[in-house]
Amino acid sequence: GESVGLHLPTLSVQEGDNSIINCAYSNSASDYFIWYKQESGKGPQFIIDIRSNMDKRQGQRVTVLLNKTVKHLSLQIAATQPGDSAVYFCAENRGGDEKLTFGTGTRLTIIP
Amino acid sequence: DTGVSQDPRHKITKRGQNVTFRCDPISEHNRLYWYRQTLGQGPEFLTYFQNEAQLEKSRLLSDRFSAERPKGSFSTLEIQRTEQGDSAMYLCASSKYRENYGYTFGSGTRLTVV
Repeated sequence: GESVGLHLPTLSVQEGDNSIINCAYSNSASDYFIWYKQESGKGPQFIIDIRSNMDKRQGQRVTVLLNKTVKHLSLQIAATQPGDSAVYFCAENRGGDEKLTFGTGTRLTIIP
Repeated sequence: DTGVSQDPRHKITKRGQNVTFRCDPISEHNRLYWYRQTLGQGPEFLTYFQNEAQLEKSRLLSDRFSAERPKGSFSTLEIQRTEQGDSAMYLCASSKYRENYGYTFGSGTRLTVV
């Protein structure tokens, strides 16, 4: 498959370990945040979202943390598996605005 | 429902030619979005529709670009007089108004202008 990004920040994690992917956002008016996973040759796939009135949300093996004070978002993936290898994007949405603004992305590689 | 479908998956065209891409959203979704993604970057918003109405267009959408959603179902994105800078992945997404901002993306159309 083709690469979705050649010069992305990268993170390599041993299979079974936990991974943390970070994202800084710029718009203090953003009130909704989403993490997407994008595998080579595919469109972004929704992972988890969080609204600005929350600071933590958990899903299956994933947790998103939101720190509005420093405008920082993180995605934690527990017990990583080879299928977690992908590019991960954070995206933000400002209330009343329909478009999502995406970050640059982080390439996560799981080492067997 | 098989999700958001885009056609073609790949398109190679010569500079100056016109190209048209199609997106079929999830059937009950009334909102449809077009994004563009270049290598190493996150997707960038181009335009979106609610039903058949085009409600917002990005400044990225030059006069050579036009999008339609004539019956509020499928959508087309046409690029006239293609330039090499138009080479990118064109992504379509859909959502149901007021239900989920985390919309569903298709697999995209990879355009290469030679």
